[in-house]
Amino acid sequence: DTAVSQTPKYLVTQMGNDKSIKCEQNLGHDTMYWYKQDSKKFLKIMFSYNNKELIINETVPNRFSPKSPDKAHLNLHINSLELGDSAVYFCASSRHGADNEKLFFGSGTQLSVL
Amino acid sequence: QQQVKQSPQSLIVQKGGISIINCAYENTAFDYFPWYQQFPGKGPALLIAIRPDVSEKKEGRFTISFNKSAKQFSLHIMDSQPGDSATYFCAAARVGGSYIPTFGRGTSLIVHP
Repeated sequence: DTAVSQTPKYLVTQMGNDKSIKCEQNLGHDTMYWYKQDSKKFLKIMFSYNNKELIINETVPNRFSPKSPDKAHLNLHINSLELGDSAVYFCASSRHGADNEKLFFGSGTQLSVL
Repeated sequence: QQQVKQSPQSLIVQKGGISIINCAYENTAFDYFPWYQQFPGKGPALLIAIRPDVSEKKEGRFTISFNKSAKQFSLHIMDSQPGDSATYFCAAARVGGSYIPTFGRGTSLIVHP
């Protein structure tokens, strides 16, 4: 079983559309994250959720809205997609506390906005 | 503000050679320093990590060297293999609390056969 799974793997859409990326982890972790990786491979934290509560929200446009229905899921909804949103989005999870520094990543969602 | 600076951006070595990637950090509150390995089409995966109470940690062909006074740490890959070709990220974090790892900008390693 995949520890951190994201769907879809690839997402191609037009500018202005609204899309969602889903993430689920079966590791029993209580903290989940969304990272954005640009074309130069830079990994930038977007959001961090602990026990369904937002604990970190970096400077991300409010067109991006995370939703955590339970500890095992953290979905990312993006409104009014722009060309600059094209990137690979990674979901990750960790166990809050002593091991919170060890991140487990999903395999990514490659978003292409045309 | 980039809290973790990583170099080089890209590295090419021959099979059997030593690959060295360097990182420097600024925040002295960091007390956990992991390295992540990312293959094309995959997410980063934890490779090896070190805490500042030791100066070196070795796992197989991978070694982290840590210099607390200089706020620097490096990854050494001995006997580099083509299968090591990947992007490597250093990171720094604070154990416990709500801090999350701060990543370097990555190093693309190519090992030629």
